[in-house]
Amino acid sequence: DVKVTQSSRYLVKRTGEKVFLECVQDMDHENMFWYRQDPGLGLRLIYFSYDVKMKEKGDIPEGYSVSREKKERFSLILESASTNQTSMYLCASRTGQGIDTQYFGPGTRLTVL
Amino acid sequence: GQNIDQPTEMTATEGAIVQINCTYQTSGFNGLFWYQQHAGEAPTFLSYNVLDGLEEKGRFSSFLSRSKGYSYLLLKELQMKDSASYLCAVRDTGGFKTIFGAGTRLFVKA
Repeated sequence: DVKVTQSSRYLVKRTGEKVFLECVQDMDHENMFWYRQDPGLGLRLIYFSYDVKMKEKGDIPEGYSVSREKKERFSLILESASTNQTSMYLCASRTGQGIDTQYFGPGTRLTVL
Repeated sequence: GQNIDQPTEMTATEGAIVQINCTYQTSGFNGLFWYQQHAGEAPTFLSYNVLDGLEEKGRFSSFLSRSKGYSYLLLKELQMKDSASYLCAVRDTGGFKTIFGAGTRLFVKA
């Protein structure tokens, strides 16, 4: 079974803090993704990575950065957290082959006060 | 622009059949996915359509019409555990990005 894990299920931070969200997958997948999920808006793509050290902006990258130093790990960084970044953050990975569905982590619910 | 529309909420009775519709307008198309997401949990893969027609998988079926930009997910013999959100998603032609609808929250009542 593919397993995607995220470092925290719940996180509370203060405005202006630097926040790190970590994601690890154990299936040697090439592609990894960070989404945020907000009520009524669905999943929106923040950043994705198709290989180690490679990254591409998604639809809403402003205020975020990412790091992929190893194939299995994809980190999302909020340089200076703001209240409008309060959301559910979901990491996903996929093989890049076949049906190529995405496998999601359990999510991190981030609250910025 | 990119747009995926699906109803916000639906209610159905245990044992019944429910159809969740999805219409999409995207700049490219390389497959349509349906995911199930229980409250507080990660989305999990249900089905994939890339050609027109019906794909059946046990109690779940998914239909695609590319010319109409339309798909539906059919759930038969509804069970209480089917209460969840169902996400329609379209992968773009480049293959990396997937656009998600806002999801349809299904309530199954006894």
